[in-house]
Amino acid sequence: NAGVTQTPKFRVLKTGQSMTLLCAQDMNHEYMYWYRQDPGMGLRLIHYSVGEGTTAKGEVPDGYNVSRLKKQNFLLGLESAAPSQTSVYFCASSYLQWSAEQYFGPGTRLTVT
Amino acid sequence: GENVEQHPSTLSVQEGDSAVIKCTYSDSASNYFPWYKQELGKGPQLIIDIRSNVGEKKDQRIAVTLNKTAKHFSLHITETQPEDSAVYFCAASRVSYIPTFGRGTSLIVHP
Repeated sequence: NAGVTQTPKFRVLKTGQSMTLLCAQDMNHEYMYWYRQDPGMGLRLIHYSVGEGTTAKGEVPDGYNVSRLKKQNFLLGLESAAPSQTSVYFCASSYLQWSAEQYFGPGTRLTVT
Repeated sequence: GENVEQHPSTLSVQEGDSAVIKCTYSDSASNYFPWYKQELGKGPQLIIDIRSNVGEKKDQRIAVTLNKTAKHFSLHITETQPEDSAVYFCAASRVSYIPTFGRGTSLIVHP
């Protein structure tokens, strides 16, 4: 089992450019999450999904969109990147919705100049 | 919503010493309290968790205690080793609510 994988690992964007981060999990988990991690801020939930075809907003959803077309994949999109979106992005999945262990991917380091 | 405060933000200890990280939470309905360890360049990984019906849980050198009345829980690491150096996050959650993470503690274990 690969667990949770994320692509790409690193990316540099210019302000206004768009990109999609891909998360894949092979554990057959229903629940998937996207977090951003900034220095001194811990992990903040951007969007989450409780199953294929469903998504919901988290704590900091502005400027991001997500899609869950397949159970194993959860995509995070930035339509028009801003310097404030410079961060490390983590995807996670779990077999129960909230009160359960979350399995995290290795992260994507995004820099917006 | 839930508010989780974690202290200290940085903790420096000598190898072999004990380390304690504390978290407080605000929502008395929270019932699941995991601790994650994040090594440099990697994603967080669960190391231990506790549910609200238990006061203490141990796993080798790691233990977590929960005081529901005071709404705080702590991570205890005994006989620290250099490989324990990492960032540790606490979290609090309840059914159907977004989990809230603490801001993290950077633990440095000096050989």
